[in-house]
Amino acid sequence: DAGVTQSPTHLIKTRGQQVTLRCSPKSGHDTVSWYQQALGQGPQFIFQYYEEEERQRGNFPDRFSGHQFPNYSSELNVNALLLGDSALYLCATRRADSMNTEAFFGQGTRLTVV
Amino acid sequence: AQSVTQLGSHVSVSEGALVLLRCNYSSSVPPYLFWYVQYPNQGLQLLLKYTSAATLVKGINGFEAEFKKSETSFHLTKPSAHMSDAAEYFCAVSPYSGGGADGLTFGKGTHLIIQP
Repeated sequence: DAGVTQSPTHLIKTRGQQVTLRCSPKSGHDTVSWYQQALGQGPQFIFQYYEEEERQRGNFPDRFSGHQFPNYSSELNVNALLLGDSALYLCATRRADSMNTEAFFGQGTRLTVV
Repeated sequence: AQSVTQLGSHVSVSEGALVLLRCNYSSSVPPYLFWYVQYPNQGLQLLLKYTSAATLVKGINGFEAEFKKSETSFHLTKPSAHMSDAAEYFCAVSPYSGGGADGLTFGKGTHLIIQP
């Protein structure tokens, strides 16, 4: 059983560019949350997707947007990249049938903005 | 609003010694508290969680944590450190009990170093 997979593992972008990160949930999971982890910091909640809609959102600007597909996979899009967007981006997935289910994290995508 | 504070960005212990990682929380509602571990170049793995069933919580890899409401603390301990415990540890709080990554608020993390 594959766990949560994220792609790419690393990428480098230039300020002002746009980036798309991808997350495939663990089998049986249908809820996807995205987190940003800056260097030396704990992860910060960006947003959560369920049934192809954004359900919760943290304190992030509109430059951060997402999408969830019918197969439950998800994308995180960041427009007009800033140097401060450099971070490890983590996705976490769980089953939606209960709040009381453990979430599993992917290994993350390391984004460097230069 | 909920928040957690982890005391000590780095903790160094000798192999076989007691591990103590400190976490204090702030919450206006009964909190659900979690400890996660992150190994280099890996995602987060749930170690244990407090969901009000018992104040002493046992987790994986020999770790445990005790919820102390009077001290607003949820410190993580392990009686005997192993070299494989070297990692980054995060305390987190959530309004939901499952550890389901719903709206988790994380601390800044504590880097645990194990000395041979």
